Amino acid sequence: DGGITQSPKYLFRKEGQNVTLSCEQNLNHDAMYWYRQDPGQGLRLIYYSQIVNDFQKGDIAEGYSVSREKKESFPLTVTSAQKNPTAFYLCASIPGGTNEKLFFGSGTQLSVL
Amino acid sequence: QQQVKQSPQSLIVQKGGISIINCAYENTAFDYFPWYQQFPGKGPALLIAIRPDVSEKKEGRFTISFNKSAKQFSLHIMDSQPGDSATYFCAAKDGTYKYIFGTGTRLKVLA
Repeated sequence: DGGITQSPKYLFRKEGQNVTLSCEQNLNHDAMYWYRQDPGQGLRLIYYSQIVNDFQKGDIAEGYSVSREKKESFPLTVTSAQKNPTAFYLCASIPGGTNEKLFFGSGTQLSVL
Repeated sequence: QQQVKQSPQSLIVQKGGISIINCAYENTAFDYFPWYQQFPGKGPALLIAIRPDVSEKKEGRFTISFNKSAKQFSLHIMDSQPGDSATYFCAAKDGTYKYIFGTGTRLKVLA
């Protein structure tokens, strides 16, 4: 089945720790995104990548880092500089070209211990 | 300019009723307006989308109404069912790769 796989489903971070959220897609999509979802605030863009080895900051990139070494993979690292990391994190992708449909993964819930 | 304002924040509808969610935008460069449905603990899924060259689009019980001059668009869910209970997000996109999302509407349909 084609789709976007996010792992783990649940993740706990200790103070001062960096954690990495995985996002893999087998849809052959060009662009990939990371969104943060907090109750009542909708989806806020953290980073996006249009092609391999290139990515741009979104609206709330501080305290986060990404890489795009392969077309299929777009991992997100939540660093210790992110002081309020508790949120639901969503990875998404679009095919590119004239197809603008945004596909989402099933999300990772990150909590602080 | 980049915001999409969504209302109401929550909505309770009787089974069989019509659910209406509204969104407004300012940026006239937006040219793609999707609606997403999200169930608890899941990622959002595209429900229906419209471009500004049409005023209405219908897919089954879901209809988007689009008013270009007022810079508003709305989602109508006809014959609402308990299975429609979810959070709904409107969004807007211009010619770039960036989507702007509304803050979401939590819909509850009573049986």
